Amino acid sequence: AAGVIQSPRHLIKEKRETATLKCYPIPRHDTVYWYQQGPGQDPQFLISFYEKMQSDKGSIPDRFSAQQFSDYHSELNMSSLELGDSALYFCASSLGLGYTEAFFGQGTRLTVV
Amino acid sequence: GNSVTQMEGPVTLSEEAFLTINCTYTATGYPSLFWYVQYPGEGLQLLLKATKADDKGSNKGFEATYRKETTSFHLEKGSVQVSDSAVYFCALSEGSGANSKLTFGKGITLSVRP
Repeated sequence: AAGVIQSPRHLIKEKRETATLKCYPIPRHDTVYWYQQGPGQDPQFLISFYEKMQSDKGSIPDRFSAQQFSDYHSELNMSSLELGDSALYFCASSLGLGYTEAFFGQGTRLTVV
Repeated sequence: GNSVTQMEGPVTLSEEAFLTINCTYTATGYPSLFWYVQYPGEGLQLLLKATKADDKGSNKGFEATYRKETTSFHLEKGSVQVSDSAVYFCALSEGSGANSKLTFGKGITLSVRP
């Protein structure tokens, strides 16, 4: 069965650079969530989209932005990277309106040096 | 706000031992409850879920029962295997559809010795 695809799997950037993470949800899923998991931490919700509109916002820094495109894939853009942004970034997708089960991708490991 | 509290870890068990990982939650409404597992270097995988009080989720020998009276969702397995070694996260989700973001507990690392 198709799963949530994230790219790239690994990314190394220098401080103050910009990074773009991509997420391709399971076919027919219309809701995408982004989570950040720091080393040894629990995943923290960043932002979500439903039908290409932002639906909820968590602890996402102003330096980050995200959007969901017409094909339902989503991109997380991160600018002015800081060392503390080094983390595993997960995308999850689900069917909206009444479905609560989210399926996670394998994550993108971002290292800021 | 919503929160999930898991017992402190890590936990080390011998193969075939009984496993219990405690999880309690705080929520304003009637959340759905989940256990996710994360194997080394991997993403989060849904292990089991329960969407209403007294529901029992089960998968791969793991079980958890949604206890509204004690606001708990403890994970149990009768006989663990080495392959169960992973990090286990309890989580809740309140709302539906686009408002179904997950709130996770801190996670607990389980190591199973042969």
